[in-house]
Amino acid sequence: DGGITQSPKYLFRKEGQNVTLSCEQNLNHDAMYWYRQDPGQGLRLIYYSQIVNDFQKGDIAEGYSVSREKKESFPLTVTSAQKNPTAFYLCASKQLAGNTDTQYFGPGTRLTVL
Amino acid sequence: AQTVTQSQPEMSVQEAETVTLSCTYDTSENNYYLFWYKQPPSRQMILVIRQEAYKQQNATENRFSVNFQKAAKSFSLKISDSQLGDTAMYFCAFMKRGSNTGKLIFGQGTTLQVKP
Repeated sequence: DGGITQSPKYLFRKEGQNVTLSCEQNLNHDAMYWYRQDPGQGLRLIYYSQIVNDFQKGDIAEGYSVSREKKESFPLTVTSAQKNPTAFYLCASKQLAGNTDTQYFGPGTRLTVL
Repeated sequence: AQTVTQSQPEMSVQEAETVTLSCTYDTSENNYYLFWYKQPPSRQMILVIRQEAYKQQNATENRFSVNFQKAAKSFSLKISDSQLGDTAMYFCAFMKRGSNTGKLIFGQGTTLQVKP
């Protein structure tokens, strides 16, 4: 089955801890994205990557970090510098070449700070 | 900067009836894509329908169709013969065509409840 997987589904973090959210895709997509979803605010872009070993900040990158060591994987680390990390996090990917501008999403990770 | 606005936070419809969700956007771009995504209680984001701005014909996908008014910058979603499984949050989204970021700009979402 081709698709995007995110783990864990639920994650709990204590204040001051860094946590890493996993995102893996087997669609052979070039670009990958991380979005944050808060109630009443839609989705906001945190980071994106179009190629291995390269990534760019989105609109709300402060307190987050990413890596792209493999085409299939784009993990997101929520650092202790993120002041309000409780949210739903969605990973997405898309092909860059051709007329394929549709992003496909993973099932998401719900992060709660205790 | 582009913005997307969904002015209806919540809507409801009786099963088998038709409902229209509104979306307006602001952009100076001429070539772009517009999308409607559905997020059911499982929270999985699912693409419902996609419209290319240079195409005048409105996109349709089975019971889902759009009314794309480029001059008015309006992109509404019509759901015909509503089913209980259509209960979800619906997001309108914008993407500049040929964007080197592929960034999606989302509206705030509309929660749709289909009643039996």
